[in-house]
Amino acid sequence: GAGVSQSPRYKVAKRGQDVALRCDPISGHVSLFWYQQALGQGPEFLTYFQNEAQLDKSGLPSDRFFAERPEGSVSTLKIQRTQQEDSAVYLCASSLAGAVPYEQYFGPGTRLTVT
Amino acid sequence: GQQLNQSPQSMFIQEGEDVSMNCTSSSIFNTWLWYKQEPGEGPVLLIALYKAGELTSNGRLTAQFGITRKDSFLNISASIPSDVGIYFCAGLAGNQFYFGTGTSLTVIP
Repeated sequence: GAGVSQSPRYKVAKRGQDVALRCDPISGHVSLFWYQQALGQGPEFLTYFQNEAQLDKSGLPSDRFFAERPEGSVSTLKIQRTQQEDSAVYLCASSLAGAVPYEQYFGPGTRLTVT
Repeated sequence: GQQLNQSPQSMFIQEGEDVSMNCTSSSIFNTWLWYKQEPGEGPVLLIALYKAGELTSNGRLTAQFGITRKDSFLNISASIPSDVGIYFCAGLAGNQFYFGTGTSLTVIP
């Protein structure tokens, strides 16, 4: 079946622009995570949804970052007034479990470059 | 946030050799996971460990959850070229997974 998909795969933004990154989780998956992965580093947690509820957003680095999942399926990560330090790969993962989501399936990521 | 240290940072090995890498933390985790990531792709889960002392295998891969709950190791036996990639450990605390910095593996045919 289809895995987690993310779009766009690559995004180049000029400093100060707003961007929106989309994640389509595996159908029926309750939990959805966003991660930020800098070059040469492991993924870092940004935020977590269970259905449409955003249960944890403690990893969002600033109030320029905003995530939503209004119908409990597709999620969008929005970054306002992008800065160069926002350049990274943004990974989305989904999990069937509604409780602690051990079996996370990752999408291919969106590589954001801010110039 | 939580710091997970992986070693070695990179490995260059001959095909057929065994590989060992580990992950240590200053904090206790209740679950350890090992992932592999290839260029341009997201991480793929290899092995999940749920209790201290647990030893789990998945084909040529074996991983153990340390007794102190602050470390884990991953072994790959009889490496093959398609084992190339970056291997990440991840520890679960609360609802958050904390990832290590990765071990880059290169297998020379």
